[in-house]
Amino acid sequence: SQKIEQNSEALNIQEGKTATLTCNYTNYSPAYLQWYRQDPGRGPVFLLLIRENEKEKRKERLKVTFDTTLKQSLFHITASQPADSATYLCALGGFSGGYNKLIFGAGTRLAVHP
Amino acid sequence: EADIYQTPRYLVIGTGKKITLECSQTMGHDKMYWYQQDPGMELHLIHYSYGVNSTEKGDLSSESTVSRIRTEHFPLTLESARPSHTSQYLCASSWDSQETQYFGPGTRLLVL
Repeated sequence: SQKIEQNSEALNIQEGKTATLTCNYTNYSPAYLQWYRQDPGRGPVFLLLIRENEKEKRKERLKVTFDTTLKQSLFHITASQPADSATYLCALGGFSGGYNKLIFGAGTRLAVHP
Repeated sequence: EADIYQTPRYLVIGTGKKITLECSQTMGHDKMYWYQQDPGMELHLIHYSYGVNSTEKGDLSSESTVSRIRTEHFPLTLESARPSHTSQYLCASSWDSQETQYFGPGTRLLVL
């Protein structure tokens, strides 16, 4: 069966450390993968997109890797801050069908402690 | 901050009532989407639209209906609300040729 797995347990880290979140998937062949941030009671906000032919993408303190052989993406936040505390969702996309279909994972909650 | 709006933000309503959740965007996006999300769970696509007069059902079966009479407006209607409809409803939009979706703040619905 098709599945996206993100760590359901919250990730607790100390301010200044690097947070690493994992997104694993099975039985999908996405053309790209996206990461979104979602704060409580709000809609997701787009962070980064990485395509199947890209290994790594960076944006300021954020870094995403994409391994289509392992079917895994890693999302890193360096020099983490309490303001980075949120739930982070990965989403697979680029399937056939004509519309911008995104399939979301349930997300991992990140808590950065001062 | 994306220019996509949803009203109401919160709604508590009795079983059997008809409700319409509003979604508007001022970005001129062709594609719009409705997702349903329960706490701690994935977003599930329930409806989408390619453009005016185009609507399709998503992956998750839903008793709701949608319309797209204007580019900027994509309302969702429940003819007869039930407790099983209690959830958060998120509206999103995207440019025709780009993959990023912009989300509204969501409507949290509670049906008693």
